[in-house]
Amino acid sequence: QQQVKQSPQSLIVQKGGISIINCAYENTAFDYFPWYQQFPGKGPALLIAIRPDVSEKKEGRFTISFNKSAKQFSLHIMDSQPGDSATYFCAPGGDFGNEKLTFGTGTRLTIIP
Amino acid sequence: ETGVTQSPTHLIKTRGQQVTLRCSSQSGHNTVSWYQQALGQGPQFIFQYYREEENGRGNFPPRFSGLQFPNYSSELNVNALELDDSALYLCASSPYPGALHFGNGTRLTVT
Repeated sequence: QQQVKQSPQSLIVQKGGISIINCAYENTAFDYFPWYQQFPGKGPALLIAIRPDVSEKKEGRFTISFNKSAKQFSLHIMDSQPGDSATYFCAPGGDFGNEKLTFGTGTRLTIIP
Repeated sequence: ETGVTQSPTHLIKTRGQQVTLRCSSQSGHNTVSWYQQALGQGPQFIFQYYREEENGRGNFPPRFSGLQFPNYSSELNVNALELDDSALYLCASSPYPGALHFGNGTRLTVT
């Protein structure tokens, strides 16, 4: 049961460019939409998250766009830097306070000079 | 640093054996969750504990069990290990709802 589909699987972006990663979900009970960043040998770290009452949230170079009717949300990384090279996971979750997250399969992002 | 510490970092076990993985989180983190991450995949939810009681479980068999202790430490136990149990096991704790802090995991290899 693939509830969360993430695309693309891998992405190569030039330094200074915009990286865009997409996530599609099926479960309409999800009400928490985070993106996690994972470096090799490390656990995932929360990057940015959004609740369904807003359509966009920006934190520094990172922006989440949320489309409730399409059941999709995306991560935009502006001015991408080599240090952003990592694997990114969308991980929508259920009721507030329920820490069960359903992770996507991940996007390996590589930023080239 | 997330304040979540897992031990050991690596472990090799034989099929059929039992294993205990440990996690230590910060004071005040009342919720702890465990996830399994197979190579090249996203983490999968195993179960969650809140104030020492299991309050959510993913699609994992009963041979996966856990404990949470009053001192904010927890354990994941896996009995009758199978080759497919080889994975990175992640512990995550929450200081408040919606903020999961992950440890760096225990890499379990079953041979």
